[in-house]
Amino acid sequence: ELKVEQNPLFLSMQEGKNYTIYCNYSTTSDRLYWYRQDPGKSLESLFVLLSNGAVKQEGRLMASLDTKARLSTLHITAAVHDLSATYFCAVEAGSARQLTFGSGTQLTVLP
Amino acid sequence: NAGVTQTPKFRILKIGQSMTLQCTQDMNHNYMYWYRQDPGMGLKLIYYSVGAGITDKGEVPNGYNVSRSTTEDFPLRLELAAPSQTSVYFCASTMGGKLFFGSGTQLSVL
Repeated sequence: ELKVEQNPLFLSMQEGKNYTIYCNYSTTSDRLYWYRQDPGKSLESLFVLLSNGAVKQEGRLMASLDTKARLSTLHITAAVHDLSATYFCAVEAGSARQLTFGSGTQLTVLP
Repeated sequence: NAGVTQTPKFRILKIGQSMTLQCTQDMNHNYMYWYRQDPGMGLKLIYYSVGAGITDKGEVPNGYNVSRSTTEDFPLRLELAAPSQTSVYFCASTMGGKLFFGSGTQLSVL
């Protein structure tokens, strides 16, 4: 059974600081996804990482994938309040491209 | 282009009642999924489908049924609702790659 673990589960950070969210998974997969969810809303796709060593950047967020270590990171640079949300990683496995989600990291950026 | 449309957005059921959550996508995606999200948790896969007429169980299928008679529609049926089914339900679809999510159905069973 595929397990996906995120840490930390809760993160409070000050504006302007940098931090990294970690996503570990238990079985081989070459595809990993990061999503953002605002309270009471659906999930918004942030990044799709399709191979070992893949790195994607959008604004203050940068995601990377190390398939050998079964690890993905989501790095936040110079955080701003608008980044406050819950971030999920999800790993694709199975013939039907099913995603298994981590428990999420609830990020709060404080002024 | 509407994407993935779910109805209803909110529903309150009494224990033992039944209902169907509707999901329609207009992107001609083969793969469709139903997930549930409990408060403060990640999403768990209930059922999925790889095409019309083909469905299979996910991680938490008990108490639910699905059908896929067309490419566009993937309804989720709850029989004999129980308080443990109180959750937010998301439908999603893909052709491979990024998953497109519906806006969710918030269901309470009292």
